[in-house]
Amino acid sequence: KQEVTQIPAALSVPEGENLVLNCSFTDSAIYNLQWFRQDPGKGLTSLLLIQSSQREQTSGRLNASLDKSSGRSTLYIAASQPGDSATYLCAVRRYGGSQGNLIFGKGTKLSVKP
Amino acid sequence: SQTIHQWPATLVQPVGSPLSLECTVEGTSNPNLYWYRQAAGRGLQLLFYSVGIGQISSEVPQNLSASRPQDRQFILSSKKLLLSDSGFYLCAWNGLSALSDNEQFFGPGTRLTVL
Repeated sequence: KQEVTQIPAALSVPEGENLVLNCSFTDSAIYNLQWFRQDPGKGLTSLLLIQSSQREQTSGRLNASLDKSSGRSTLYIAASQPGDSATYLCAVRRYGGSQGNLIFGKGTKLSVKP
Repeated sequence: SQTIHQWPATLVQPVGSPLSLECTVEGTSNPNLYWYRQAAGRGLQLLFYSVGIGQISSEVPQNLSASRPQDRQFILSSKKLLLSDSGFYLCAWNGLSALSDNEQFFGPGTRLTVL
């Protein structure tokens, strides 16, 4: 049974700092991995999608890496800003197509102090 | 572009009352649709998914049911709510295009409180 773990559960950093969020999964047979952002009381916003054949994806100040063999992914946030404060969730998909539901970690709550 | 709607945004219901939450998707056809629940202190849990009209798969035994009466409409229901049904309910759909292979997109959610 696939399990997804995110460490740390919470993180507080000063503005401008570069930071890394970690995600690990127990079964390396994944189709893809997706990173999301969730603001309090809101739905999930997709940040980055990494296919199983890819090593990393970048979007602006965000960079996500994937190491399937070790069951790890990291989300790197450069030059953090107070607006980055949110809960970040990673999720893995076992299969593509119709059976492709996501297995989520519990998230890392990030607070960026001005 | 694709958009996903959920309503109501918030709901407070007494124990034993019925429930109906609705999710609709615009700008795509024949999407895979999902209902998740996010309970306080717990991760997101998949409740149901659907690959087409009238086709529902349940992931966990529970007090809830789902239906898909139209291609882009997904409904979550209960005949009698329990206290444990409280939570944040999220609807999601799958992108299946070559540009977004199996990327999943979420709606704004419904906050349900059962008293």
